[in-house]
Amino acid sequence: NAGVTQTPKFQVLKTGQSMTLQCAQDMNHEYMSWYRQDPGMGLRLIHYSVGAGITDQGEVPNGYNVSRSTTEDFPLRLLSAAPSQTSVYFCASSRGRGSSPLHFGNGTRLTVT
Amino acid sequence: DQQVKQNSPSLSVQEGRISILNCDYTNSMFDYFLWYKKYPAEGPTFLISISSIKDKNEDGRFTVFLNKSAKHLSLHIVPSQPGDSAVYFCAAKGNNDMRFGAGTRLTVKP
Repeated sequence: NAGVTQTPKFQVLKTGQSMTLQCAQDMNHEYMSWYRQDPGMGLRLIHYSVGAGITDQGEVPNGYNVSRSTTEDFPLRLLSAAPSQTSVYFCASSRGRGSSPLHFGNGTRLTVT
Repeated sequence: DQQVKQNSPSLSVQEGRISILNCDYTNSMFDYFLWYKKYPAEGPTFLISISSIKDKNEDGRFTVFLNKSAKHLSLHIVPSQPGDSAVYFCAAKGNNDMRFGAGTRLTVKP
């Protein structure tokens, strides 16, 4: 059971570079989301999607773009990386209804210098 | 604005004793509350949840209590085991998103 798969595990970028964090799930979940984890801040929601073709902003969306062309994939794009985006990024998915819990990937640790 | 707060960054208990982790929230529209456990270098994993219409939910050694009037929930672990040592996140589910607290690092000493 793969669950939620995130790639890469680690990434170092220079300020101004762009990159895409990949996320794929094989559970046929409708709902997918991206969080960032920073010390003392917990997990903050960046963007989420309730189904293919539908995305919306979370608490901290600035500097990030997302798209959802298939049920399985939900990539997160950084168009021009900034040091403030140094963080650990988690992708998660769920059935989306009621108390359905989120299933998380193992994270991508991003450093922007 | 932080809608879900865990005011204790860390907690240390002796093996076999009770661990109590606390969480407060501000948004009365949340309809489900969940607890997640996180080990280093892994993603959070779901532990237990409670609906806003209930005040208690139990699953083995884990019990979650909800006090809606105080906008407060707590997670009780009895008895605590060294393998429970992890960071615990409280989460609250609203319309289409889930908001998390900052986490509490639990250390269970043998």
